[in-house]
Order: sequence, then structure tokens, then C-alpha cells
Amino acid sequence: EAEVAQSPRYKITEKSQAVAFWCDPISGHATLYWYRQILGQGPELLVQFQDESVVDDSQLPKDRFSAERLKGVDSTLKIQPAELGDSAMYLCASSRGAPNEQFFGPGTRLTVL
Amino acid sequence: QQQVKQSPQSLIVQKGGISIINCAYENTAFDYFPWYQQFPGKGPALLIAIRPDVSEKKEGRFTISFNKSAKQFSLHIMDSQPGDSATYFCAASRYSSASKIIFGSGTRLSIRP
Repeated sequence: EAEVAQSPRYKITEKSQAVAFWCDPISGHATLYWYRQILGQGPELLVQFQDESVVDDSQLPKDRFSAERLKGVDSTLKIQPAELGDSAMYLCASSRGAPNEQFFGPGTRLTVL
Repeated sequence: QQQVKQSPQSLIVQKGGISIINCAYENTAFDYFPWYQQFPGKGPALLIAIRPDVSEKKEGRFTISFNKSAKQFSLHIMDSQPGDSATYFCAASRYSSASKIIFGSGTRLSIRP
């Protein structure tokens, strides 16, 4: 069964350091999403890609976060510099677009010390 | 307008009992209502979903009831089992276009043996 892959699964970093997360969506899924999930809450969208183009990044803190999907397949989310409040689970999801069934990867648990 | 309200925050049910989680939405443009199941340390997994053209959808022990006029929907888990212990998120989105999913705040379900 096809799955969304993410790495690393866990990341511990000190504040002000740079971190990067990688996502490989299900093959054939043109739409890729990055969500952030704070402990005890539901996921919230950070950025949405359609192929290699950003469709929605209205909730992405652009002063420190960046995301790219250069060839329209896998994607990287970067934080620089990391802050204590960035500690969360970062989830990647993908879908065909229509129907909008989104499948999530296992996530990257980020801890900022 | 974008919120999805979910209750209860936590729920304890005896094995074999019925678990019921309720959600309400505001935006009438939503036409796709998935439920996700999440185990600790894992990404959310799509459990079951419904569209507003039907009032009920059943898959095994899981049933979604949908009330379009009240803008409410609920998840019923019949014959609840200890393996059902997880956090459940209701959500809302658009079905025929790639768009973000708006998640509820989650319900932590515990099934007592």
C-alpha cells in the first residue's frame, strides 16, 4: 500500500539553529500539504503545493519558515532560526486534488531546546 | 466561519459499548467531512468520510450521522474495543478541489477492558 514518507521521525535542536524536514508523497499525488500539530490540538495547514507551485501559504511564518517542491514530487520544509514555540509535530499529507482525500505521513516530532 | 467544533474533549467507554463524538461546522461551502484516527506518535489516518448528499454512512463498526440543516455530524463506534483507543479528529473541507482540511480539536477516546 502506498504511503507518504517523512524524515527524520524525530528531531531535537537548540533554538536559533536551522532544521529541515523531508516529505515524499504518494506517487501520482499532485497536491502536497504541510501541517503543524501542536500537542493536544488538531493539525493546522502551513503550506499547500499544487505540483511545484505554492497554492496557499497564508499561515506560514515566512520570516523563519520556507518550503519548496522543486520538481513537483518530494518537498522540504525548513525552519531558520528555530524558536521554542516551534516544538510540534510536522505532518505531510498528499492527495490527488479531486477528490480531496488527504493521506498523512508519520510526521516529524520537533523539539526545540 | 472556518471553525469545526468537536466534543467531548475526552471520552471513556466500556468495552462493547458505543462511543459517540459530535462535531459542528459553520461554513456551508464545506462538502466533505472526514474523520481521522490518530495513535500516539503517528500521523492521522483517514477512517471514514461523508458528503452532505447522504445522512448516514456506515463502514464496519464505524458510522457517521450527518445533519445538514443543523450543520452537525457525529461518529458512532459500535462494539468499542480496546484497540479503538486513540484520538479522533473530525474535519471539514471541499471535496472537488484541492484545499486545506479544517480539523476539530480532537477527542481522546479510551476503551476500558
